[in-house]
Amino acid sequence: NAGVMQNPRHLVRRRGQEARLRCSPMKGHSHVYWYRQLPEEGLKFMVYLQKENIIDESGMPKERFSAEFPKEGPSILRIQQVVRGDSAAYFCASSTSGSLSGGRVQFFGPGTRLTVL
Amino acid sequence: AQSVTQPDIHITVSEGASLELRCNYSYGATPYLFWYVQSPGQGLQLLLKYFSGDTLVQGIKGFEAEFKRSQSSFNLRKPSVHWSDAAEYFCAVGLTDSWGKLQFGAGTQVVVTP
Repeated sequence: NAGVMQNPRHLVRRRGQEARLRCSPMKGHSHVYWYRQLPEEGLKFMVYLQKENIIDESGMPKERFSAEFPKEGPSILRIQQVVRGDSAAYFCASSTSGSLSGGRVQFFGPGTRLTVL
Repeated sequence: AQSVTQPDIHITVSEGASLELRCNYSYGATPYLFWYVQSPGQGLQLLLKYFSGDTLVQGIKGFEAEFKRSQSSFNLRKPSVHWSDAAEYFCAVGLTDSWGKLQFGAGTQVVVTP
């Protein structure tokens, strides 16, 4: 059973370009979380999605950032008109449920390291 | 305000020595508690978790953690570290009504010397 997959692993963009980050959850997982790790910091929650629904986007910047998790295919985190401050590692995690009760955990992907020149 | 604090940014320990990493949280109720490890350039791997019951939790790679409600702490320990334990360690909490999202501490970087 493959783990959470993210691609690309490394992404370089120039200021003003768009960045698209993909996340394929573990088989059987229909709940996806995106986190951002800025240099020298811990991970910060961005958004929680279920198939075709955004459930909680309280951690997403109000502008330029969007996320989706279509019925078919991976979840996508899209950053428009990137700026240098967007340089970070972006991690996706998946779970069988949107609740932690019963001992459920999130499994993390290897991350996408975005560098904005 | 809700918070997760890892007071030690950086710890250096000799191989074979014991290790303790501190984690304190501030929440109105007891949250779910986790320790993750991140090796350079890698994703996060779950070491152990606490949901309820026995306050001493055993994890993978010889790690254990103790939940102390009175101190709002969930410290991670290992009796004898190996060079492969050099990594960054993150404490995380999850609230029971938060859609499963986790709040992470800033992390503790562990360096293991020969």
